[in-house]
Amino acid sequence: AQKITQTQPGMFVQEKEAVTLDCTYDTSDPSYGLFWYKQPSSGEMIFLIYQGSYDQQNATEGRYSLNFQKARKSANLVISASQLGDSAMYFCAMRDKGAGGTSYGKLTFGQGTILTVHP
Amino acid sequence: DGGITQSPKYLFRKEGQNVTLSCEQNLNHDAMYWYRQDPGQGLRLIYYSQIVNDFQKGDIAEGYSVSREKKESFPLTVTSAQKNPTAFYLCASSRGLGWNQPQHFGDGTRLSIL
Repeated sequence: AQKITQTQPGMFVQEKEAVTLDCTYDTSDPSYGLFWYKQPSSGEMIFLIYQGSYDQQNATEGRYSLNFQKARKSANLVISASQLGDSAMYFCAMRDKGAGGTSYGKLTFGQGTILTVHP
Repeated sequence: DGGITQSPKYLFRKEGQNVTLSCEQNLNHDAMYWYRQDPGQGLRLIYYSQIVNDFQKGDIAEGYSVSREKKESFPLTVTSAQKNPTAFYLCASSRGLGWNQPQHFGDGTRLSIL
């Protein structure tokens, strides 16, 4: 089974509107971290926001917020007031102990969602 | 400015040749990682290192080798045994291996076969 699932290959949003990018995850580890990254066409991976499995409140960083629903194992990224510069690929990723349960060394990435912001 | 520097930005490999991708960080991070990204895909872990002189295989280590002689540096060698090396390679670092530690990435190296 996929550990990180992003079901939206592509999303479109009008400038200044809000958009939600979906992410569901699968782990049996009680301690895990969820991360969102932005990858513009130039290729670099930009860290946006983090949510820990024990965090009671949803994470927020500027225009980014994370809608964390632990029971549903979902961690959706909400971008408010979209800007043209938000057009990029967005990846959801998780850090847990993985197979063997010995290390948190790996980030497991989803397949990504391409966001296009229209003027 | 603190950050992760990858070089070169573009690299071409001939058949049967080994090539080395450079990754240097000045963030004073203990852990470093190498990922491979194929077009339209997420990232897959090649190798990671928690401390100097120690490294672990990731999911797709075959055909690759690494070294960690200095805290700041984690070079990746793509050997001739890697039959499909064309990809985008990203180096990352984090303070440690904790589950709450974000990884920060360099700008990547694009490797192609000549």
